[in-house]
Amino acid sequence: DAKTTQPTSMDCAEGRAANLPCNHSTISGNEYVYWYRQIHSQGPQYIIHGLKNNETNEMASLIITEDRKSSTLILPHATLRDTAVYYCIVQETSGSRLTFGEGTQLTVNP
Amino acid sequence: GAVVSQHPSRVICKSGTSVKIECRSLDFQATTMFWYRQFPKQSLMLMATSNEGSKATYEQGVEKDKFLINHASLTLSTLTVTSAHPEDSSFYICSARGGLGLSPTDTQYFGPGTRLTVL
Repeated sequence: DAKTTQPTSMDCAEGRAANLPCNHSTISGNEYVYWYRQIHSQGPQYIIHGLKNNETNEMASLIITEDRKSSTLILPHATLRDTAVYYCIVQETSGSRLTFGEGTQLTVNP
Repeated sequence: GAVVSQHPSRVICKSGTSVKIECRSLDFQATTMFWYRQFPKQSLMLMATSNEGSKATYEQGVEKDKFLINHASLTLSTLTVTSAHPEDSSFYICSARGGLGLSPTDTQYFGPGTRLTVL
């Protein structure tokens, strides 16, 4: 599996955009980038995934650099309920294992 | 997104007893289900992968005779912690994936987790 690197923690003001970075410099050509989040004492929640192109859904946007070595998850208008640990995961091609790293603890402040 | 449930959400048991945790995909057929364990302040660790109708594949270091996994149908998988001990106390989370399992884009959806406390 390609390894990912994320900042340990980030803070964001309520109502502002939260931009969470992820480095995955060893990603291979057919590996996808997945984002999940885990609110305290709950199971992880799927957010979004992408391969090459930028993606957007009702929860977030995913911006992947042209060389695919990094990506940014954008929560356009963060709320207090977005406080969670955010995991950036690269999916291996031969199966569907998700290997969770330490993630980024995002704290949205009022 | 798809919904995955777990039961029970919380269980307390005595050392030496066995505990069964159920994982259900409520609105899709799960060809593959996964079981994870999470200790306090740590990330999720994959324990095993199970495909419907076949034996589970366990990760290195996970005792298959202690953590029995059954995936008898496309909507139900169970994890039984046998002869539980205090060190088995943890947050157990299942996930389910639909589709044919041929595409790496098949998304995993997670259950809410089961908090196991062994006294």
